Amino acid sequence: SQKIEQNSEALNIQEGKTATLTCNYTNYSPAYLQWYRQDPGRGPVFLLLIRENEKEKRKERLKVTFDTTLKQSLFHITASQPADSATYLCARGYTGGFKTIFGAGTRLFVKA
Amino acid sequence: NAGVMQNPRHLVRRRGQEARLRCSPMKGHSHVYWYRQLPEEGLKFMVYLQKENIIDESGMPKERFSAEFPKEGPSILRIQQVVRGDSAAYFCASSPPGLSHSGANVLTFGAGSRLTVL
Repeated sequence: SQKIEQNSEALNIQEGKTATLTCNYTNYSPAYLQWYRQDPGRGPVFLLLIRENEKEKRKERLKVTFDTTLKQSLFHITASQPADSATYLCARGYTGGFKTIFGAGTRLFVKA
Repeated sequence: NAGVMQNPRHLVRRRGQEARLRCSPMKGHSHVYWYRQLPEEGLKFMVYLQKENIIDESGMPKERFSAEFPKEGPSILRIQQVVRGDSAAYFCASSPPGLSHSGANVLTFGAGSRLTVL
């Protein structure tokens, strides 16, 4: 079956460090991957999208990579801040389609 | 410019009752999606609708659950004869009628409706 997997263990890092979250997919090749942020009690908020022919995408302190050989996307937050603490969700879609499937998410805790 | 509006935010039902969750998509959006999130779990796709049409309901339980998106008014997710296992957060998302220039579909989510079944 087609799967999208994220590390279910929480990630704890010190303020100022770079947080790196992993998203792996199996048995298919997504046309693009998306990353969303979800705070407790709230709906997810879209952050970044990267297509299969893009190696890297940046937005302020955020960076996403897409490695089709490893079947993996990495999500980086540089100079992390306590306000970055949240659950980050990876999602996949396919060109021309509307259905979006999410990974289980990884909780990030940034300590001051 | 209001975002995706969901109501009620919190709903308490006793076993066997019906739950109705409503979602008004973002202005200009014609696609609606429903997801369910159990505590400490990810978002599970339930159903995708356009106006008056169910496009994909592959994630919807076969019994007791139904969804609609009428020509006028909000989309409604209806759960009949609720059981304790239905307790969850139900999120609605919407997207514009077309895909972006990159062929991607970005979702805008509501704040969710939290259903508690006693």
